[in-house]
Amino acid sequence: QLQLQESGPGLVKPSETLSLTCTVSGGSISSSSYFWGWIRQPPGKGLEWIGSIYNSGSTYFNPSLKTRVTISVDTSKNQFSLKLSSVTAADTAVYYCAREDGYNYDYWGQGTLVTVSS
Amino acid sequence: QSALTQPPSASGSPGQSVTISCTGTSSDVGGYNYVSWYQLHPGKAPKLMIYEVSIRPSGVPDRFSGSKSGNTASLTISGLQAEDEADYYCSSYAGSNNFVFGTGTKVTVL
Repeated sequence: QLQLQESGPGLVKPSETLSLTCTVSGGSISSSSYFWGWIRQPPGKGLEWIGSIYNSGSTYFNPSLKTRVTISVDTSKNQFSLKLSSVTAADTAVYYCAREDGYNYDYWGQGTLVTVSS
Repeated sequence: QSALTQPPSASGSPGQSVTISCTGTSSDVGGYNYVSWYQLHPGKAPKLMIYEVSIRPSGVPDRFSGSKSGNTASLTISGLQAEDEADYYCSSYAGSNNFVFGTGTKVTVL
């Protein structure tokens, strides 16, 4: 059974960079033909797609976040990561990692809350 | 890209049916048969309920069904059960390797 687990700091200061890692178990990122994505949900709001990455390193981003987002993959650790720069309070959210199977996300992590505050 | 529009809430008694709409544009919902639906329970990993408009993944009860007409997709839960009480989000491919989610609907079982 594929499992995904987000990890990273739960508190980030304004203007700094948010960094999260998703560890995949029960399957190999490098041997599969899937994209791996990040989605977030601000408190009391809806889901927002952030972006995704293929094991080759090809990436796609939400146009509204594109200038601040970096997604990378480390196949040796079976992980992929998210960096979001110049964060503000508006970036406070539960961040989910997920496997992209075609045009949907079929496996998700439980999510991790990141709060942006000084 | 703007979020897809869903009603904030929907409700029904056990055994009844509930239908949730998801309205987009010809650039997303209307342009592709790549609408999916997700169920969110607090503190749990989101669960894929429907993909490619109407396909149920293995393990999803057949009381969940999806459809699409024009720029609006719909999720119907037939024979509502207590465990179906959750938030539901639609999502659509929006072209150029972009995805957009809906505003979310809270389903309450009365």
